[in-house]
This record gives sequence, C-alpha cells and structure tokens, in this order.
Amino acid sequence: DAKTTQPTSMDCAEGRAANLPCNHSTISGNEYVYWYRQIHSQGPQYIIHGLKNNETNEMASLIITEDRKSSTLILPHATLRDTAVYYCIVPPGGSGYSTLTFGKGTMLLVSP
Amino acid sequence: DAGVIQSPRHEVTEMGQEVTLRCKPISGHNSLFWYRQTMMRGLELLIYFNNNVPIDDSGMPEDRFSAKMPNASFSTLKIQPSEPRDSAVYFCASRQSMVGYTFGSGTRLTVV
Repeated sequence: DAKTTQPTSMDCAEGRAANLPCNHSTISGNEYVYWYRQIHSQGPQYIIHGLKNNETNEMASLIITEDRKSSTLILPHATLRDTAVYYCIVPPGGSGYSTLTFGKGTMLLVSP
Repeated sequence: DAGVIQSPRHEVTEMGQEVTLRCKPISGHNSLFWYRQTMMRGLELLIYFNNNVPIDDSGMPEDRFSAKMPNASFSTLKIQPSEPRDSAVYFCASRQSMVGYTFGSGTRLTVV
C-alpha cells in the first residue's frame, strides 16, 4: 500500500468540525484514498473513499488536494460518539484492490 | 441485513486446546477476510478468500492456524494448539467488489 502518514492523536470539541489530515505523497494515479474508523471494542467501520474529487456522504466529507498527495477527512459536527481511531488507507490496485493494510491511525477524542 | 456475524464474542481457553472461530459474511459478498488485532501489532490481515477460495494466507502466523470457507456463507479460523500469545481480538470482514469492507464485531480470545 502507498505509505500514509497521520497524526497520532487529535482533540475536538463536541459540535465543532473535526478535520483529520493524511499524507500520501507516493499515491499512484489510479489509487483511491479510503477512510475507516474503529470505535473502542468494535470492528472497523467504512466511512468514505475518493479518487480525486471531493466526496461527501452522510458520515463525512473527504477533501483530496489537487496533486492527490494529501487528504482531509471532515466530520462537520463532531459528537462524543465520533471518538475513535481513524485510519487513512491507500490500497494498491485502484478500485480493484484486494486487501487493506491498517496503520496506527489517528486517535480522535471528542470532548464535551 | 444483520451484517457480518462472528461467534463466539468471547472465548477463554487453556493453552494447548483447539479453538474455532466462526464467521458468517454478508450475503452476496464475494470476499472474506480474517484479521487479528493486538495492542502491540495493531490490525493484521491473516488470510483472505475470494469466491470461497483462499487467495493469500501469508499473514497466518504459524501452521497452528488454519482457515476454511466451505461455502459462501460460512468461514472458520482454527488454532490448534492454542498458545497464550494467540490472545487477541479476531475480526472477520466481507466485501463485495468495488465496495468497502464490512467488519464483524470480533471475537476476543484469551488463552491462559
């Protein structure tokens, strides 16, 4: 997988936007950026993915820079339930990837 | 859909005993993955199946570990004999082509 770099931890106040950065400077042209999160004691949960355009769904928005070397996951109004480890993953093989390799991710703590 | 179903949720066993973990993937998903998570090593891919066929088992730590997928709706991960260092949370995930993974709730294994 293309190497990704994420901060170890971040804090966010409840109700504010959480912006989680990810660097993936070695990403190839056909490789997607995937975001998952893992709430304590649960299995990882798919959030969103994108290639080069910004993406939005009911959970989050994904902003990918024009050069595709970095991206930001945005939780527009963070709640306490968004406290989790967030993983940014760039699997090889484009949309036909086979497996996901999880790094250490970013521990997001949302506080009241 | 009930999601990916894993059983048991918790397993405590004595060293040397055989342990079998079970997984029912989401109907229609053609890929199944077994991961292991520990504090020290994070989430590690053990093996994955595509259309019930094992594709890559390079993550299986030792010959004590084996996995089967006899049909599209069932998979097992067996450890024989179990050792204390096998203590971890084991996750099963399934995926339909072009879509993100869906993880189960995991099995917490403790080998004493």
